[in-house]
Amino acid sequence: GESVGLHLPTLSVQEGDNSIINCAYSNSASDYFIWYKQESGKGPQFIIDIRSNMDKRQGQRVTVLLNKTVKHLSLQIAATQPGDSAVYFCAERLILTGNQFYFGTGTSLTVIP
Amino acid sequence: DTGVSQNPRHKITKRGQNVTFRCDPISEHNRLYWYRQTLGQGPEFLTYFQNEAQLEKSRLLSDRFSAERPKGSFSTLEIQRTEQGDSAMYLCASSRPDRDSNTEAFFGQGTRLTVV
Repeated sequence: GESVGLHLPTLSVQEGDNSIINCAYSNSASDYFIWYKQESGKGPQFIIDIRSNMDKRQGQRVTVLLNKTVKHLSLQIAATQPGDSAVYFCAERLILTGNQFYFGTGTSLTVIP
Repeated sequence: DTGVSQNPRHKITKRGQNVTFRCDPISEHNRLYWYRQTLGQGPEFLTYFQNEAQLEKSRLLSDRFSAERPKGSFSTLEIQRTEQGDSAMYLCASSRPDRDSNTEAFFGQGTRLTVV
């Protein structure tokens, strides 16, 4: 079956440093990926997405990289701020199995002031 | 507020009781999803609607669970004869129609269910 997993469950970074959160997926049929940020007690918040026909996409302070060869996704956050502290999930959509997203366990990012 | 709205935000119920949650999606979104999230885990897919049609259901959705979206707008998720294992955050998400199906899903704040 499909699986979405994260390499590190927790990550601590100094304020101002760059953060990199990694995600591995197992199904090569996945064609769309999203990174979500979830703060305590809140629903997941969309950060950035990428389609499988791309290998890089940039947003404001965030960049998503997709390596389909090794089925790896990463989220880079530039100049990490205390407000970036949250749990980050990658989610994949397998178009062959329908419209639901499959989420990994999440990585907890803590920004140290 | 034009985001996805869920209520109640919190619900405490006794085991064996029925509960119903409501989700109001973003108005122009025709797709609506229900997910369940337990502590320390990512959201797990439960079911999906396109307009009023329930197109997909997860194996997680036992016969005690039922979801409806009668007019293609708001949706309800009912859990009958609740069990302690039903305690979780129930998340609703919606997305706009897209021919390629590649559109982000926007989540509500969730309903936290505690079964005692």
